[in-house]
Amino acid sequence: EVQLLESGGGLVQPGESLTLSCAASGFTFSFYAMAWVRQAPGKGLEWVSIISGGGGAFYAESVKGRFTISRDNSKNTVSLQMNSLRAEDSAIYYCARTDAHYYFHYWGQGALVTVSS
Amino acid sequence: DIQMTQSPSSLSASIGDRVTITCRASQGISSFLAWYQQRPGKVPNLLIFEASTLPSGVPSRFSGSGSGTDFTLTISSLQPEDVGTYYCQKYNSAPWTFGQGTKVEIK
Repeated sequence: EVQLLESGGGLVQPGESLTLSCAASGFTFSFYAMAWVRQAPGKGLEWVSIISGGGGAFYAESVKGRFTISRDNSKNTVSLQMNSLRAEDSAIYYCARTDAHYYFHYWGQGALVTVSS
Repeated sequence: DIQMTQSPSSLSASIGDRVTITCRASQGISSFLAWYQQRPGKVPNLLIFEASTLPSGVPSRFSGSGSGTDFTLTISSLQPEDVGTYYCQKYNSAPWTFGQGTKVEIK
């Protein structure tokens, strides 16, 4: 059974940094691209970042230059380093596993990030 | 970037009704289109990929069609557990853009 468990969420002040982690199990981690998707309170889904099994990464324009996605295939984890956080980054951040052509088949339960002074 | 536009933004229908949600891409995306269901307070769930393929476990009352720029999600007979918000998403290339969502309620 595929399981994705996010951790690292919390309350931070604007301008601060936070790192989210997602622990994966139930599949061969290195075979799959992994993504982060966020959802601000009462809003829709927003793709944030994606990393291939080999480490190639893409970012949404809204986070480019501030967020860094990484993965450790030996530990079955994917991380999202978030710097220079803004109030508009406040959201539930979901970790997702892709399939084949990079649609998001499996989702974690989410980690809440609140950026507020 | 390719924009994804869903319509309607919300709808209210009766149990057993046929419900149709459309998604339009601003440029062609072949069949690289997924649909997700998000029940209230829950995690998004993959409903359809490759525009028309249902993953294992998704009820057969859900169906998808379309290619290029115009896509449709159909619920053949609306059930109480179908209440939630539905999102389309393109995945042919970066960015992996979602539509704005369609909220489905029971009349």
